[in-house]
Amino acid sequence: NAGVIQTPRHKVTGKGQEATLWCEPISGHSAVFWYRQTIVQGLEFLTYFRNQAPIDDSGMPKERFSAQMPNQSHSTLKIQSTQPQDSAVYLCASSLDLGRAETLYFGSGTRLTVL
Amino acid sequence: GDSVTQTEGLVTLTKGLPVMLNCTYQTTYSPFLFWYVQHLNEAPKLLLKSSTDNKRTEHQGFYATLHKSSSSFHLQKSSVQLSDSALYFCALSASGSWQLIFGSGTQLTVMP
Repeated sequence: NAGVIQTPRHKVTGKGQEATLWCEPISGHSAVFWYRQTIVQGLEFLTYFRNQAPIDDSGMPKERFSAQMPNQSHSTLKIQSTQPQDSAVYLCASSLDLGRAETLYFGSGTRLTVL
Repeated sequence: GDSVTQTEGLVTLTKGLPVMLNCTYQTTYSPFLFWYVQHLNEAPKLLLKSSTDNKRTEHQGFYATLHKSSSSFHLQKSSVQLSDSALYFCALSASGSWQLIFGSGTQLTVMP
């Protein structure tokens, strides 16, 4: 079991460019989550899916951020027209199912730097 | 709304000393509390979790007790090691959205 895989590990974009981040959840896990980590804000919830269906995107900045899960083996987080304040580590996590006691298994994250 | 508070941003200790990292929460629902640990450049990993009032939960030498009366879930260890240096997050699962709410984190640094 390779764990949650996120690619790329590092991404540098210029202001205004698009960034696409990839996540491969643990096989058999039905829930996938995206979080953003910064020193100032800590871990911020962005969105999650269950069985590929979007359930809650209340943490997503609506205008430039979008997330998809086209199949059970990967999810993408797309940021259009990136801004310097988007610089952060973006973490993907998966869990066996949705449930209050479920453990989240995190990937190592993608560090996005917007110049 | 639901929230988690970790009062210490940075804790520095000498190896062998005890540590307590504070975590309090706020929710109107029945809480499920977690501690996650993140070593440098690694993914956060579950350390321990609990929803049972006044029962001590232990893992890898760390322990915590959920006290619903004081809305607390402090993390403790009797003797810290150099390898315990990491970022520790307290997290709450309470409302029906399945969203895990994280505290701001406490950076623990253990000195030789």
